[in-house]
Parts: sequence; C-alpha cells; structure tokens
Amino acid sequence: NAGVTQTPKFQVLKTGQSMTLQCAQDMNHEYMSWYRQDPGMGLRLIHYSVGAGITDQGEVPNGYNVSRSTTEDFPLRLLSAAPSQTSVYFCASIPSGRASNEQFFGPGTRLTVL
Amino acid sequence: GENVEQHPSTLSVQEGDSAVIKCTYSDSASNYFPWYKQELGKRPQLIIDIRSNVGEKKDQRIAVTLNKTAKHFSLHITETQPEDSAVYFCAASKMETSYDKVIFGPGTSLSVIP
Repeated sequence: NAGVTQTPKFQVLKTGQSMTLQCAQDMNHEYMSWYRQDPGMGLRLIHYSVGAGITDQGEVPNGYNVSRSTTEDFPLRLLSAAPSQTSVYFCASIPSGRASNEQFFGPGTRLTVL
Repeated sequence: GENVEQHPSTLSVQEGDSAVIKCTYSDSASNYFPWYKQELGKRPQLIIDIRSNVGEKKDQRIAVTLNKTAKHFSLHITETQPEDSAVYFCAASKMETSYDKVIFGPGTSLSVIP
C-alpha cells in the first residue's frame, strides 16, 4: 500500500488563482479529512468525509470546496486563493471497520499564495 | 462546536526528566482523545489514545490520563530522551460512537536537552 498520498508537495499561487490539492489513499478507508497547519495554531479541520458522496464542514471551511466521488480520492479545491490560505495542508484517513480511530496523515502540501 | 485548549505551548526539560502536557475540551459528549507527535518537517503520527470509559492508559514511557468531570486530559512522558523532542498535539472527538470530526489543540513544542 502507498498509504495516503498528496500532490503536489509544493505550490505557489497568485492571489485569485484557483487550484486543487489532490489526496488519495489505497487502503479503502471510509473516513478522510483535510487540515491546515499554521504556526501556533495547530491542525485546523477544513472538511471531512465519512464515505463516498458524503462531506461535511470542519472548523475553517470558508474558501475551500471538497467532493468525494470515490472512496480513494478526496480533493480539496481553493476557489480563489488568498494570502491567508498560505499554509501546510494535510490530508488524513481512518481505517474502515471502526477497530481503530487512528488518523493516517499524508506527507503534506506546502502552499504559498502571493 | 468542540474547542480544545493545550498548555504549555513550549516545554523544555532535561534528558531523563518527566514532561507533562495538559489539554481541556469543551464538548462533554466527546469520547475519544488521541495524542499525535510531529517531528520537524514530518507528518503527525498517533502515539497514544484514550477512550472516555478509561481513566488512564500507559504504553512504555508514555501515559495519558482523563478526567471526564473536569473535561481535561494529560500526556505524561517519563525518562525523556532527545528523540522525544517534537510538537505534540492533543485532540478530541465523538469518534467512539460514530465517525465524527477530530478537533486538535494548538500543540506543545517539547525540547529535551541532553
């Protein structure tokens, strides 16, 4: 298994541009989530999904859209990038079957918005 | 919604000493409390978790205690080693009953001085 993968690793955008951060997992995990990490603020939940076709908002959803058309993929879309969205973005997933609640994180995407 | 506070934000200890990190949560319905460790430049990884029907859990040098009445939980690391230096995050969730959002605290940067 490749685990949780994220692309790209680094991205620089200009204000107003849009882009999609990709997240995929090959472990058939039902639960997936997106966090942003900023210095001194920990990991803040953007959106999460409990299965294909189901998404919900987290703590800081404004400016971001998600969809979950397949179990494997959970892309995060920035509609119109702003400097305040400069951050490190982590995708995570939890194994199905409820035996464990451990979140497995991807390697992260470092985004800079100029 | 759930709010998780964490103290201290930074902690320095001598190698061999103990370290304690404390967290409080706001939602009395939360029933799952994980702790994640993030080394510099890496992704967060689960180190220990506790469920609301348990008051204490140990795993070698680390232990977590939970006080449901006071809505606080703590991480204890004994006999600290330089490799324990990292940022530690606590989190709270209602994950034990159904898939739910996982809300993190702002983190504690632990430095173990050789």
